[in-house]
Amino acid sequence: GAGVSQTPSNKVTEKGKYVELRCDPISGHTALYWYRQSLGQGPEFLIYFQGTGAADDSGLPNDRFFAVRPEGSVSTLKIQRTERGDSAVYLCASSLRGNPRRTSGRAQIYNEQFFGPGTRLTVL
Amino acid sequence: DQQVKQNSPSLSVQEGRISILNCDYTNSMFDYFLWYKKYPAEGPTFLISISSIKDKNEDGRFTVFLNKSAKHLSLHIVPSQPGDSAVYFCAASGGKLIFGQGTELSVKP
Repeated sequence: GAGVSQTPSNKVTEKGKYVELRCDPISGHTALYWYRQSLGQGPEFLIYFQGTGAADDSGLPNDRFFAVRPEGSVSTLKIQRTERGDSAVYLCASSLRGNPRRTSGRAQIYNEQFFGPGTRLTVL
Repeated sequence: DQQVKQNSPSLSVQEGRISILNCDYTNSMFDYFLWYKKYPAEGPTFLISISSIKDKNEDGRFTVFLNKSAKHLSLHIVPSQPGDSAVYFCAASGGKLIFGQGTELSVKP
């Protein structure tokens, strides 16, 4: 009964370096989300995958950030040329299905997102 | 621009009393609202939710109220227990989740 797992739990890097953060979602969950949480703030949406494809990447702050999910399961968030402002906890979540679109003006059942423990990234 | 706001960064309550956590939002297109609870070094865990077609949802000691005209929701915990001490986030869904800044609840024995 594994939940969402993320590795590493902590990552310290130097400014300008490249980092990869990994997320293993709950088995069978088709939707996967990445969030970033800065100190004193709530999680901030980065990107959402439905299967292998990025359904919504509107939260990625710039082109230094990229994420992949090549087989529709594990996902990797990649950050190039890291900056001190990238320091944060990066959270991954998965849900059984993606959030449905509203149809006929009626809200549909929300698919609960289960979060991993996060990766704390520190850029020195 | 903060679309979901929790204006109280912290709240302290005596055990057995009611805890009321508040949340305001700006986007009337949000159709689902959720509360998450977070302990240190753990990811947020889902607590309770409410659809925009309802004004109240209750689950044990937890009740969420939604006032659409005021764009305001609140989470009531009664009676509060020391194990409820955590950071509570409200979130709104219009597809993706948009979180508030969180309120740290401390329940004193």
